[in-house]
Amino acid sequence: AQSVTQLDSHVSVSEGTPVLLRCNYSSSYSPSLFWYVQHPNKGLQLLLKYTSAATLVKGINGFEAEFKKSETSFHLTKPSAHMSDAAEYFCVVTSNFGNEKLTFGTGTRLTIIP
Amino acid sequence: EAGVTQFPSHSVIEKGQTVTLRCDPISGHDNLYWYRRVMGKEIKFLLHFVKESKQDESGMPNNRFLAERTGGTYSTLKVQPAELEDSGVYFCASSQMGQVIRDTEAFFGQGTRLTVV
Repeated sequence: AQSVTQLDSHVSVSEGTPVLLRCNYSSSYSPSLFWYVQHPNKGLQLLLKYTSAATLVKGINGFEAEFKKSETSFHLTKPSAHMSDAAEYFCVVTSNFGNEKLTFGTGTRLTIIP
Repeated sequence: EAGVTQFPSHSVIEKGQTVTLRCDPISGHDNLYWYRRVMGKEIKFLLHFVKESKQDESGMPNNRFLAERTGGTYSTLKVQPAELEDSGVYFCASSQMGQVIRDTEAFFGQGTRLTVV
């Protein structure tokens, strides 16, 4: 069984300040973890993924996430928020044993204050 | 290159009616997935096609939902008869054949927003 918990449903930050979106996971097996973003009227876009290689993963648009097994966390960060980062972000887990299902968190809506 | 395309983008139907959603995957992608997001909840897996075969349909909620992928190209998801609880956003995704989801990328469409009144 696998699940993810996104700890904040909404996050607001000022433009130019750091972004932190929190995610904790639970998995019976060694997991692969992803962050997806959905901008209004767009499809879900892959930001980054962890698949058992380097624990610090860099993604597109300056985002990165760190896999911490001891804390079962995969938080998403960005040093400086941009207005274009306003969107909904999803933490996602899947098993490393051939299970093709992606298990999504409930999403975090990020608002950027000018 | 065109991405994953879903039709329609919005649909409003009355309870008891039938609705058919369509997904056109990226050309050459043999894996096709359907997901659904009910309002306020997480996005949940419905089923997975490999070409025209159903690989996993464990997420289909009940027998009012029928998914097809004739010829292994586009897919349809029919809801008949629709109930109020079927309202939500239905996402389709596709990925390349021969690679499990963690080793490749699943490309998602923009979703179909279904409202049953």
